[in-house]
Order: sequence, then C-alpha cells, then structure tokens
Amino acid sequence: SQQGEEDPQALSIQEGENATMNCSYKTSINNLQWYRQNSGRGLVHLILIRSNEREKHSGRLRVTLDTSKKSSSLLITASRAADTASYFCAMDTGRRALTFGSGTRLQVQP
Amino acid sequence: EADIYQTPRYLVIGTGKKITLECSQTMGHDKMYWYQQDPGMELHLIHYSYGVNSTEKGDLSSESTVSRIRTEHFPLTLESARPSHTSQYLCASRETGTGVNTEAFFGQGTRLTVV
Repeated sequence: SQQGEEDPQALSIQEGENATMNCSYKTSINNLQWYRQNSGRGLVHLILIRSNEREKHSGRLRVTLDTSKKSSSLLITASRAADTASYFCAMDTGRRALTFGSGTRLQVQP
Repeated sequence: EADIYQTPRYLVIGTGKKITLECSQTMGHDKMYWYQQDPGMELHLIHYSYGVNSTEKGDLSSESTVSRIRTEHFPLTLESARPSHTSQYLCASRETGTGVNTEAFFGQGTRLTVV
C-alpha cells in the first residue's frame, strides 16, 4: 500500500485473548485514527490519537503512537466473538482526506 | 449510529447502463468523500468535496463523476457501467470545525456488481 501498512494482515485468536494490530505510515500526521469494519458494511470510528499523544485508552481498546517510528498499535483486550471484523488505521495529514491502511482481518473464535 | 445514508445497498446492473449512487448526511458536514473498496482490501479515495459546488478527484482514477448542489447530498454517477466498476463504494462525511482532529462518519456502502 502507498498509504499505510498494517500487520498482521490476518489474525485468529480465541475469545478472552488479547489482539494486537500494528500500523506503519509514511508521512507526518496530525492524528491517527482506528476504524472497524464488519463484513460488507461501512466503517465505524473507534479511537483517535493526536500526534502529540503517545497512548490512549477507550474501554477495552488501547492505542499507542510513535511518531519517530511512524507507527501505531491497537490492542483489544479480552476479545469477544463480536470483535470479529476488519480493523483499519487512518492517517490524517491535514490534506484532503483520511488515508487508510491495508487493514487487519481479526477472527475471534468462541 | 451515524446520520449518513447510502442507497442502494446492493445493485446489480448490466454493462452500459447509467447509474447514480446516492449519499446523504444530516449532520451539516461540509466535507464529504467517496471511497472505493474491493472486498477485504484498503480504501481508495476517488472523490471529495469541501462544500457546495466544490468537488475534486481523489487519489484513485475513476470514471465516475460527483456533484454537490446541496450540503447534505453527494451523489456519484457512472455514465456507462462496466464490469471493472464492480466494487464497494463508501461515502463518508466529516466536520470541518476549527480543529483538525475530527473523525469521519461512513455510510453502510453500496455494493455494485456490473454484469
């Protein structure tokens, strides 16, 4: 992807385990956002972290941002079957529109 | 739930037909976007608008066109559909405001199949 890379491309875990997804990007950003997409549906915003923040929490979500490495990670703790979805990072450079990473497909086995 | 709506949700149409994908939002957002997404793949920006009578092409070349006559409405038109246009089309909007740290709201998408 020319916009952002996510790793891994796919992740399969058992219910109750933690899921970690990583995002690397290429340009300076104002903020980085994470979105969730259920199969065949639109995207839903999960969390936003500003460029001057290093870590942010929201419920079972924890996001980190390292602007020196141009990378971010999303941790979902105590995963549930309902967390099964694709997760995308999105970079806000202040230009035009958000640019999206390649996505991580998460499968949580009950 | 976001107040942004796309119709139709699914569309199967023959080659050469003209189609319009509808997108409406009731949040008063100035910025609106169209993304194209193949199944399981990343999103590609094809059109965006900063307000009424403002439209620009995105990063991915597209044969589609858009219009923005009203703030709440951002339709996408394909004059002559082809099988290569088969994809999912996602509409989104975003608040302009005074700050830059805002989220995007997405519609449910239109899955287009051209046969």
